Amino acid sequence: AQSVSQHNHHVILSEAASLELGCNYSYGGTVNLFWYVQYPGQHLQLLLKYFSGDPLVKGIKGFEAEFIKSKFSFNLRKPSVQWSDTAEYFCAVKGGGSYIPTFGRGTSLIVHP
Amino acid sequence: KAGVTQTPRYLIKTRGQQVTLSCSPISGHRSVSWYQQTPGQGLQFLFEYFSETQRNKGNFPGRFSGRQFSNSRSEMNVSTLELGDSALYLCASSLGTAENTIYFGEGSWLTVV
Repeated sequence: AQSVSQHNHHVILSEAASLELGCNYSYGGTVNLFWYVQYPGQHLQLLLKYFSGDPLVKGIKGFEAEFIKSKFSFNLRKPSVQWSDTAEYFCAVKGGGSYIPTFGRGTSLIVHP
Repeated sequence: KAGVTQTPRYLIKTRGQQVTLSCSPISGHRSVSWYQQTPGQGLQFLFEYFSETQRNKGNFPGRFSGRQFSNSRSEMNVSTLELGDSALYLCASSLGTAENTIYFGEGSWLTVV
């Protein structure tokens, strides 16, 4: 069974700091990769996704993620975070024609103004 | 285009009771999946329905059940509630093919006392 690991459970940054959240998965075949964000009191929203093509994916609000197949990773990055980026971030992976993504446990990001 | 709609948004139940949660998917989406979200466990997959048939099932006890209607609306039921069932229950919908993205509703907050 595939699994998804998000190694950073809690991250605290100051505004303007750079962000990188790690995501590793265990599935060895073709994968679809996602990052979702859950702002306080709001529902999970899609931040970005990778299905094929350019492994560097750009999403909403200045976020990007890079798929590195050899490392089974899909890390999320943002060069300069804002207070409004305070949220829970979830990495998800769908593999091998599966209809259902497997989610990581999430990373709580707090950005201090 | 309306998003995924879940009702009720908040509810409090007593141990031993049962509860039914409802989900209306995005128009045109035929797949509905359900997740349980808790602070320590992240998102745990419950089950997925496609065209009124359960297509995938997670590792939850038989007290958790669901169904899907011909209009793609879905319900999930939890019988004999336990304190540990307190959680945010999320519904997500998609077109239902492997190469697609799921979209989440705002969730139903269940508290069992």
